[in-house]
Amino acid sequence: AQSVTQLGSHVSVSEGALVLLRCNYSSSVPPYLFWYVQYPNQGLQLLLKYTSAATLVKGINGFEAEFKKSETSFHLTKPSAHMSDAAEYFCAVSSNTGFQKLVFGTGTRLLVSP
Amino acid sequence: GAVVSQHPSWVICKSGTSVKIECRSLDFQATTMFWYRQFPKQSLMLMATSNEGSKATYEQGVEKDKFLINHASLTLSTLTVTSAHPEDSSFYICSARESPPPGTFFNYGYTFGSGTRLTVV
Repeated sequence: AQSVTQLGSHVSVSEGALVLLRCNYSSSVPPYLFWYVQYPNQGLQLLLKYTSAATLVKGINGFEAEFKKSETSFHLTKPSAHMSDAAEYFCAVSSNTGFQKLVFGTGTRLLVSP
Repeated sequence: GAVVSQHPSWVICKSGTSVKIECRSLDFQATTMFWYRQFPKQSLMLMATSNEGSKATYEQGVEKDKFLINHASLTLSTLTVTSAHPEDSSFYICSARESPPPGTFFNYGYTFGSGTRLTVV
């Protein structure tokens, strides 16, 4: 079975500061990993995905994540936070077998203060 | 890019009635669609996976007779909450996975609808 663990239900940063959202995965097969963002009462928007190509993945809005197999991690970073980055962020894992369904972490709420 | 239209965006219904939620892929064919439920301030819980032309596969603990899923075409999947009760109130989100390009097998494009807020009174 696959799973992801997001450390920290809430992360607070100041505008302009580094954003680091943590995600660790568990998978018995090569994982495919995703980061999504959700704004209140909206669906999910894909930030980036790792599908066994380059380990450093660049996404939209200045976000990037690095796949580290040795650490089973896929942490999301952004060098400089903007107020508009305040939202809920979900890490998810899938595989290349079966229905390829996504399994989500519990989410991390990013708070950005002026 | 790929767009999934989900509606209604919100619905209020009386206890005991049924509610249908539609999920349409607008500019691509979706072999597989997923239905999620999200409680306030919680993560998404997968309810079921539907493949066009076949019966949906439900996750453990999800009542298939209560949450009817139909995936009649490559662009449309519906979720019907039958005999709704207040405990069914939640945010429901669909996701469509694009059919792989010709000559390939896997595609990892998941596009989400904007969600439906269901309130049962």
